[in-house]
Amino acid sequence: RKEVEQDPGPFNVPEGATVAFNCTYSNSASQSFFWYRQDCRKEPKLLMSVYSSGNEDGRFTAQLNRASQYISLLIRDSKLSDSATYLCVVFTGGGNKLTFGTGTQLKVEL
Amino acid sequence: ETGVTQTPRHLVMGMTNKKSLKCEQHLGHNAMYWYKQSAKKPLELMFVYSLEERVENNSVPSRFSPECPNSSHLFLHLHTLQPEDSALYLCASSQDGALDTQYFGPGTRLTVL
Repeated sequence: RKEVEQDPGPFNVPEGATVAFNCTYSNSASQSFFWYRQDCRKEPKLLMSVYSSGNEDGRFTAQLNRASQYISLLIRDSKLSDSATYLCVVFTGGGNKLTFGTGTQLKVEL
Repeated sequence: ETGVTQTPRHLVMGMTNKKSLKCEQHLGHNAMYWYKQSAKKPLELMFVYSLEERVENNSVPSRFSPECPNSSHLFLHLHTLQPEDSALYLCASSQDGALDTQYFGPGTRLTVL
């Protein structure tokens, strides 16, 4: 089983749609979780950290389910500019290890 | 605009060449990282430096040699690479360890012929 797994997509959605991505992780000792966004041929940029209680930033909502070992990212009212690859990132403190998923590609269309 | 810069942005080299990638961070961070990103694969952490000391080396071949002369600069020295080493090499920095948010540079796209 991969340490961090994501559906690669692509998710093709119309503008204005709501889309959700899940990411599963294998190490139950993982401590911190992040979503990064990577545009084509650009570097990854932090989108948001994921807290146990869930957190929201505008149209973006991130949730963590420790029991089932997954995190999710919900994007409401999708914009064309949301088209990118979304990377799930998991930090495991014991080995001081930061692991990236392969990313989920989102394409928002007119 | 990112506070992490990388040079060169593109590099083509032969298998017998020696080259170096440079990364500089202007954020006052204490930790710096090298990652490799190949097509269809997740980012692979190669090296971690914290306060100029190497704290992580994820079984990277010796043809990749990092150097961190101070907390703002990080180099990756390349020697006798293989075509499969062609990838995007990303540098990142964070305030302290990996627990912190990492800020990435734009990357160096390396092609080994």
